[in-house]
Amino acid sequence: GAVVSQHPSRVICKSGTSVKIECRSLDFQATTMFWYRQFPKQSLMLMATSNEGSKATYEQGVEKDKFLINHASLTLSTLTVTSAHPEDSSFYICSAIATGLNEKLFFGSGTQLSVL
Amino acid sequence: AQSVTQPDIHITVSEGASLELRCNYSYGATPYLFWYVQSPGQGLQLLLKYFSGDTLVQGIKGFEAEFKRSQSSFNLRKPSVHWSDAAEYFCAVGPSGTYKYIFGTGTRLKVLA
Repeated sequence: GAVVSQHPSRVICKSGTSVKIECRSLDFQATTMFWYRQFPKQSLMLMATSNEGSKATYEQGVEKDKFLINHASLTLSTLTVTSAHPEDSSFYICSAIATGLNEKLFFGSGTQLSVL
Repeated sequence: AQSVTQPDIHITVSEGASLELRCNYSYGATPYLFWYVQSPGQGLQLLLKYFSGDTLVQGIKGFEAEFKRSQSSFNLRKPSVHWSDAAEYFCAVGPSGTYKYIFGTGTRLKVLA
């Protein structure tokens, strides 16, 4: 199957700083990627849809100025958590659509963000 | 409201025993249904999916799931569990034509040797 690489796998930062998370499709091109957030013992919540070359589409209740998404190439989408606060601490996961492959949706391994 | 419920947060089974993970959904239209598995440090991997047709679907790693419309359920089963099946399992439902899935809260499976 196709591979989606997410980096870093774990990051700790101070309150007020910004953190960038990368999501790369390693062996396929992904015009569309998704970003999710997962709290402990809760389900994955879709945050936004990232489209290559255009603005991301955010789900209701997600602050677009807090969670900046850039999808500048067909293999890379980034999520930047700006001015992070402890309540932003969470597990963030990306996925990418692989057009033409049967499974079609592939997930990264996630990033655990801890804001001190 | 659309939702997915996985009633069991944790399940422990002995290796070689049978397994059933429950999933119930609430969805207005005919749903697309999925089961994903997540091993530690890895991304979600698709086990199987149901779109239409035969309500008993076969997936990878010996898993199967049965869609029961009358019960709004899509339970995952495996006749004989292996130690390598220990992981977290997510049920998801979504509309056709998009990838905006609704995920359950997951069931963590522990396998005893």
